[in-house]
Amino acid sequence: RKEVEQDPGPFNVPEGATVAFNCTYSNSASQSFFWYRQDCRKEPKLLMSVYSSGNEDGRFTAQLNRASQYISLLIRDSKLSDSATYLCVVNGRDSSYKLIFGSGTRLLVRP
Amino acid sequence: DTAVSQTPKYLVTQMGNDKSIKCEQNLGHDTMYWYKQDSKKFLKIMFSYNNKELIINETVPNRFSPKSPDKAHLNLHINSLELGDSAVYFCASSRTGGGNTIYFGEGSWLTVV
Repeated sequence: RKEVEQDPGPFNVPEGATVAFNCTYSNSASQSFFWYRQDCRKEPKLLMSVYSSGNEDGRFTAQLNRASQYISLLIRDSKLSDSATYLCVVNGRDSSYKLIFGSGTRLLVRP
Repeated sequence: DTAVSQTPKYLVTQMGNDKSIKCEQNLGHDTMYWYKQDSKKFLKIMFSYNNKELIINETVPNRFSPKSPDKAHLNLHINSLELGDSAVYFCASSRTGGGNTIYFGEGSWLTVV
């Protein structure tokens, strides 16, 4: 089983739609969770951290379910500029320095 | 000001050559990393240094040798390049300890022909 698994997509949605991505992780001892965004031919950039109680940043909401070992990202009122690959990130099994990246979920927002 | 900068951005070289990628960060971070992103877009950690000390060394061929002259620099040297080494190599940095945001450089696109 991969340490971090994501549906690769692509998710193709119209502007204004709400879209949700899930990510599962295998290490029950993981403590740090993030969503990163990567645009085509660019470097990954932090979108948001994921906290146990869930957190929101504008149109983006992140949730953590420790019992089921999954993380979700909800994007409301999708914009064309949200088109990108969203990477789920979890700290690794044997080192808190080691962040494990999922292979990403691709989002395409169409006019 | 670029926070994490790496050079060169593009590199095309022949099999068997030796090449280096340089990385510098001006964020004052203690921890630096090298990640590799292959053609399937999977981003995998290769090495991590904390205050010039190697703390993560994944299963990477020993043709790859990182060097950290100081905590603001982490260079990657690759010997005897192979076709399979073609990928994007990202340098990154963060504050010490897990759970901190990692800041990436723009990537170095390596093509081995």
